[in-house]
Amino acid sequence: DTAVSQTPKYLVTQMGNDKSIKCEQNLGHDTMYWYKQDSKKFLKIMFSYNNKELIINETVPNRFSPKSPDKAHLNLHINSLELGDSAVYFCASSQGGLAWADTQYFGPGTRLTVL
Amino acid sequence: AQKITQTQPGMFVQEKEAVTLDCTYDTSDPSYGLFWYKQPSSGEMIFLIYQGSYDQQNATEGRYSLNFQKARKSANLVISASQLGDSAMYFCAMRDSGTASKLTFGTGTRLQVTL
Repeated sequence: DTAVSQTPKYLVTQMGNDKSIKCEQNLGHDTMYWYKQDSKKFLKIMFSYNNKELIINETVPNRFSPKSPDKAHLNLHINSLELGDSAVYFCASSQGGLAWADTQYFGPGTRLTVL
Repeated sequence: AQKITQTQPGMFVQEKEAVTLDCTYDTSDPSYGLFWYKQPSSGEMIFLIYQGSYDQQNATEGRYSLNFQKARKSANLVISASQLGDSAMYFCAMRDSGTASKLTFGTGTRLQVTL
């Protein structure tokens, strides 16, 4: 009965590889997000989708491409991985009502290590 | 642009004591929401409490309460009767009313509960 789930939990890969992280929510929420948490624990939004439509696209290298096949899923594909991509990536979801009252619920995170 | 400041990188508190984690914010939008999240060492981000800018009363959720002082632009988290399981990173976050508004996080406070 996990609300927001991500797979895999850990991802170790070589520089230059392409990898994907999957996210699913069973809360019936309309909006989903990807965040990156760096080694200093700073959390920053990368993307936001509302009903499969891209709403927020922060200054992220275009090697990162989100894909939302339906409103319950938001996957993150990363091409040509670099050392600096090593981080914890969090998926989150929210109901999508009034922005300032729209609580986001986070998945367990995916720790990506690029060697 | 919205901004969140957490000035305490680390705090210690004895078990069963109360502790206050500081958070100040800055926004020119009259409509905004303030959120606190807990990140234990296991890594997940857990939503704790929400306060809206128009809320007249301070939010409370069990042992968590939010000391909201609008004129001072502060939204401090108070944890009463600290438990060992409260040891974690705590993040304050804010979101304003724009449709493309983002949840902006502070740098976090690491709380250590001691015997």
